Amino acid sequence: DAGVTQSPTHLIKTRGQQVTLRCSPKSGHDTVSWYQQALGQGPQFIFQYYEEEERQRGNFPDRFSGHQFPNYSSELNVNALLLGDSALYLCASSLVGQGVGDTQYFGPGTRLTVL
Amino acid sequence: AQSVTQLDSQVPVFEEAPVELRCNYSSSVSVYLFWYVQYPNQGLQLLLKYLSGSTLVKSINGFEAEFNKSQTSFHLRKPSVHISDTAEYFCAVSDIRAGSEKLVFGKGTKLTVNP
Repeated sequence: DAGVTQSPTHLIKTRGQQVTLRCSPKSGHDTVSWYQQALGQGPQFIFQYYEEEERQRGNFPDRFSGHQFPNYSSELNVNALLLGDSALYLCASSLVGQGVGDTQYFGPGTRLTVL
Repeated sequence: AQSVTQLDSQVPVFEEAPVELRCNYSSSVSVYLFWYVQYPNQGLQLLLKYLSGSTLVKSINGFEAEFNKSQTSFHLRKPSVHISDTAEYFCAVSDIRAGSEKLVFGKGTKLTVNP
């Protein structure tokens, strides 16, 4: 049973560029959440996708956008990259149908460095 | 809005000693509570969670946490730590209401177990 997978594992971009990160949820899961973890900090919620719609959003600017595909996989897009966007980006999947409090399973993350 | 405070950023202990990692939360609504562990260069793994019922919850590797509603705390304890417990530990909360499954994390506590 494959867990949550993310690609790429590492990425280096320059300021102003755009980046796309990808996530495949754990088998059987229908919901994907994205988190940003800056160095030395806890993860911060970016947004959550369910049924191909953005279900909930954290305090992140519109430069951060996402998408969920019919197979439940998801992409996170960040436009006009800033130095401060350098972080570990974590994807987590869950099964909303099991009710609130269902465990979110995290992937290994994508390390984004903006130069 | 919810917030999580992990009172200690770093906790060094000797092998086989007991340890307590402290977590306090603030919320205007009922919450679910979680502890996640992050090993170096890896994603987050769920250690244990409190949803309802018994206020003492246990993990398979000897950790336990107790939900204290009056003190809004969810401290993590282990009676005897191993070198392999060296990792960063994150306390998190989520709103109990449906449609609000985002996790709010603390800044983490780095546990270092020395021989």
